[in-house]
Amino acid sequence: AQTVTQSQPEMSVQEAETVTLSCTYDTSESDYYLFWYKQPPSRQMILVIRQEAYKQQNATENRFSVNFQKAAKSFSLKISDSQLGDAAMYFCAYTHSNSGYALNFGKGTSLLVTP
Amino acid sequence: EAGVTQFPSHSVIEKGQTVTLRCDPISGHDNLYWYRRVMGKEIKFLLHFVKESKQDESGMPNNRFLAERTGGTYSTLKVQPAELEDSGVYFCASSQGSFGYTFGSGTRLTVV
Repeated sequence: AQTVTQSQPEMSVQEAETVTLSCTYDTSESDYYLFWYKQPPSRQMILVIRQEAYKQQNATENRFSVNFQKAAKSFSLKISDSQLGDAAMYFCAYTHSNSGYALNFGKGTSLLVTP
Repeated sequence: EAGVTQFPSHSVIEKGQTVTLRCDPISGHDNLYWYRRVMGKEIKFLLHFVKESKQDESGMPNNRFLAERTGGTYSTLKVQPAELEDSGVYFCASSQGSFGYTFGSGTRLTVV
């Protein structure tokens, strides 16, 4: 069974600084997809970034980028120039076609951004 | 376009009562998923509809949970009778194709 582990329950970063959130996963598949979702207090789950396992290039979306290490099964999220609006719960998730693309989530990391 | 709508946003019920949660997916999205997050734990998959058919219901906790999707449109998730451990936030998501989820804002269920 696939598992997703986020080892940091809470993280804190100062505004304008950079923070990295960790995620590791376990799978025997070679082709799969990884995601980072953001959940602000409004509870709406918002897709931050997506990575296809077959792509070697790390995904980037504006201030958000990932460090995808397939051999190590690691998928960390880097947030650059942190903003107060980045404060939220961040979930790492995995999916594969065998599961009908149902998402397998980690426990989440609560990110606090301080002025 | 309208997003995924879930209601109610909050529900507080007594143990033993019945509650029905509803999810309206984005129009045209064949895939509809239900997830649940119990406080402090992972978000867990409950089930997956493709149109009106249950593709995978392996995550449903027990037979007190019943999900339906009428005509491939909106979906309901009924809990009967509710137990204390059913408390949590229930999320619905829809997608067209393999993924590209849009999530609803969830229903917070509290069983007292």
